[in-house]
Amino acid sequence: SQQGEEDPQALSIQEGENATMNCSYKTSINNLQWYRQNSGRGLVHLILIRSNEREKHSGRLRVTLDTSKKSSSLLITASRAADTASYFCATDETGRRALTFGSGTRLQVQP
Amino acid sequence: KAGVTQTPRYLIKTRGQQVTLSCSPISGHRSVSWYQQTPGQGLQFLFEYFSETQRNKGNFPGRFSGRQFSNSRSEMNVSTLELGDSALYLCASSWGQGGTDTQYFGPGTRLTVL
Repeated sequence: SQQGEEDPQALSIQEGENATMNCSYKTSINNLQWYRQNSGRGLVHLILIRSNEREKHSGRLRVTLDTSKKSSSLLITASRAADTASYFCATDETGRRALTFGSGTRLQVQP
Repeated sequence: KAGVTQTPRYLIKTRGQQVTLSCSPISGHRSVSWYQQTPGQGLQFLFEYFSETQRNKGNFPGRFSGRQFSNSRSEMNVSTLELGDSALYLCASSWGQGGTDTQYFGPGTRLTVL
């Protein structure tokens, strides 16, 4: 089963613009992770945010977590064509010890 | 450090056959998790092995099994293949158990069942 619902399902922007993707989940979590996948290949870990953290930055990435609303957002600033990929949120549900992935957002960055 | 490797990268089988997929984790990582990715169901957790013991299992039939060796390498086996088993199978390794730690994914094995 999938815990996370991601919004939007698809996003198309121009190079240089910012991209925001949202993830909602249903149960209590230990952490939430964001991954990127290029066209049917393996997933690349982007960032991990723990349940007691509210915001985290890594380069052009900014992740927020609101445990009261059970939601997270991933912001990619100054996007590049190379950012074109599918982005997934994954939650480590309390007591489960396995990642549960969302349905993903397909991001297309037009050069 | 070398990344997670998976072999083979592509596999074509027919219904009823069985298949074994292999995963070599990043050196030093003790946990290996397996996931199935399909267009319809997305990414779904199959099972996790930590220090040669299956620690967690997803909601898949008993035809899906796995094991982990003392060097942390892992194999998963699917018996009596069905058309619906066609998928990208991903393994991920981490130092810590389960989803508690960053998981590093391999490139996947693309299985096609005819």
